[in-house]
Amino acid sequence: DQQVKQNSPSLSVQEGRISILNCDYTNSMFDYFLWYKKYPAEGPTFLISISSIKDKNEDGRFTVFLNKSAKHLSLHIVPSQPGDSAVYFCAANYGGSQGNLIFGKGTKLSVKP
Amino acid sequence: KAGVTQTPRYLIKTRGQQVTLSCSPISGHRSVSWYQQTPGQGLQFLFEYFSETQRNKGNFPGRFSGRQFSNSRSEMNVSTLELGDSALYLCASSLEGHHTDTQYFGPGTRLTVL
Repeated sequence: DQQVKQNSPSLSVQEGRISILNCDYTNSMFDYFLWYKKYPAEGPTFLISISSIKDKNEDGRFTVFLNKSAKHLSLHIVPSQPGDSAVYFCAANYGGSQGNLIFGKGTKLSVKP
Repeated sequence: KAGVTQTPRYLIKTRGQQVTLSCSPISGHRSVSWYQQTPGQGLQFLFEYFSETQRNKGNFPGRFSGRQFSNSRSEMNVSTLELGDSALYLCASSLEGHHTDTQYFGPGTRLTVL
C-alpha cells in the first residue's frame, strides 16, 4: 500500500510560469516532509522540507505548502526555468523512523523555453 | 565539504553471484541509509546504520545485508543475485539519522544482473 502518492507522472510547464507538483499521504504519523529533485544518472538532491507544525516553507523560488487535514502537500516553483526539468520526489517520515524515508514515485517536470 | 560518494558507479554481475557496494558519507555524518530504486517500485528503504549498528531495516530478504565501519563508511552486500536485483542502489547520509535530519544522497551504483 503506497503511503506517499504522486498521482501525476508528468507535468509540462512554460518557462517563467509556475510549476505546481502535488503529493498525498495516508499515514497520519508522518510529521516531516521533503522534496527532492533527481536528474538521470544522479542521486536525488534535497530541495526543501517542512515540519507538520508549519503549513508553508519558502526557499528562494521554491515553496512547499502542507495541508494536514487533507494529508496533502505541494511544491511551487516560481518562476520555472528549463534547468528545473527533472523528476521530483516527495518523501515523508516520522519520529522513530530512523533513516527510513518513504518516497512517492515521482513526477517528471519538463519546463519548455 | 565533499558529498556522499559511492563506488563502483556501475556493476554487471550474473545470477547467483554476490556483490558489495561501498558508500562514504559526508564528513561528520554518522547515519547512513541505503535505498533501492527500480522503475516499478520507486525508491525503497533497505536499512539504516548508525554508530556501526543497524537501527532500522526495510522489507527486503536476508540476501541483502550491510555494515558500517567506525569511520561511518558503509557497505551493503547482496548474495545469490537474482535478475530482479537489477536496480540503482543509493546511499544517503545524515548527521544523526533523526527524522528531521536531511538525508543527502550519493550518485548511486547501477547494478545489472544478467
